[in-house]
Amino acid sequence: KNEVEQSPQNLTAQEGEFITINCSYSVGISALHWLQQHPGGGIVSLFMLSSGKKKHGRLIATINIQEKHSSLHITASHPRDSAVYICAVWPRGTDKLIFGTGTRLQVFP
Amino acid sequence: DSGVTQTPKHLITATGQRVTLRCSPRSGDLSVYWYQQSLDQGLQFLIQYYNGEERAKGNILERFSAQQFPDLHSELNLSSLELGDSALYFCASSVVPPEGGRETQYFGPGTRLLVL
Repeated sequence: KNEVEQSPQNLTAQEGEFITINCSYSVGISALHWLQQHPGGGIVSLFMLSSGKKKHGRLIATINIQEKHSSLHITASHPRDSAVYICAVWPRGTDKLIFGTGTRLQVFP
Repeated sequence: DSGVTQTPKHLITATGQRVTLRCSPRSGDLSVYWYQQSLDQGLQFLIQYYNGEERAKGNILERFSAQQFPDLHSELNLSSLELGDSALYFCASSVVPPEGGRETQYFGPGTRLLVL
């Protein structure tokens, strides 16, 4: 079993829909990272969280440390949001990021 | 543009060969991380350098080595290459505050390595 699990693995949506991607982890962490990987391969950091909630534009990330769970929400999705979204955690006491396998999102017009 | 540069963008080589991948971090970032992304294993942390010193090591094979130079650029050396080393190799950089804690990592565009 992976230490970081994401669901769903694949997601398709119509433009305008509200999207939720989930990340569960099994280790104690010091922080969690949400990343976006574009079809061309480039990786962009979206959020880094250690508690609570963060918002940037149409993206919202939440984390529940007690439940070892984080969610990434996209409001009013757009075809340009089509990408792979990757959750990664820093286990407490280590500098080694552990990555989930990613969620592939496709948003159709 | 993250401000992190990687060269080359693409590399095609043969089994048994040795290659060097180069990374220049964002201006002011002292920490450099190397990651491997293969089709079957996803993203994996390889190694981290901070201000020239190795700080953390992940699933890096003995055939691979890295270093960070005084000007803070880093190189990842891959030797005795095997077909399974074909992957995207990313470097990322961050400030890493003196008191520790976590900082956002900024990823380079990656080097796509194909071993034939």
